[in-house]
Amino acid sequence: DVKVTQSSRYLVKRTGEKVFLECVQDMDHENMFWYRQDPGLGLRLIYFSYDVKMKEKGDIPEGYSVSREKKERFSLILESASTNQTSMYLCASLGTGGTYEQYFGPGTRLTVT
Amino acid sequence: KNQVEQSPQSLIILEGKNCTLQCNYTVSPFSNLRWYKQDTGRGPVSLTIMTFSENTKSNGRYTATLDADTKQSSLHITASQLSDSASYICVVSHTGGFKTIFGAGTRLFVKA
Repeated sequence: DVKVTQSSRYLVKRTGEKVFLECVQDMDHENMFWYRQDPGLGLRLIYFSYDVKMKEKGDIPEGYSVSREKKERFSLILESASTNQTSMYLCASLGTGGTYEQYFGPGTRLTVT
Repeated sequence: KNQVEQSPQSLIILEGKNCTLQCNYTVSPFSNLRWYKQDTGRGPVSLTIMTFSENTKSNGRYTATLDADTKQSSLHITASQLSDSASYICVVSHTGGFKTIFGAGTRLFVKA
């Protein structure tokens, strides 16, 4: 079974703090994704990575950056957290075997006060 | 514009009853369509995956249909259980399967 883990389930940070969200997958997948999920909006893609040190902007990259130094680990960074970044953050990984299924982590609920 | 719309937004049914969730999409070029189940506070988990040539796929009490001509899909849940209470998300992929568009989900509540 594919396992995707995220560093925290719940996180509370103050405005202006630097926030790191980490995601680890154990299936040697090339592709990893960060989404945020807000009520009524569905999942929106922030960034994705298709290889180590490679990254691409998604639909809403503003205010975020990412790091992929190792294949199994994909980090999302909020350089200066703001209240409008309060959300559920979901990490996913995807192999290239043709099943097209993304495997999701349990999510991190971030609250910025 | 690539879009995925789901209906209804939320649904309440009695345990043991059947229900059908709808997904309409305008994604092109179409690659595949998936239904995910997301329990509260957890990440989505895949239920079914269908490509262009498939028009039905079952996973236990869950049956998904796809009409690629009308660009519609449905998820039918048979003999609902309390554990079916969750959000159900329709996801359509394009451009070779890599790029995905997520629907906003249908929130299903199953009452005893």
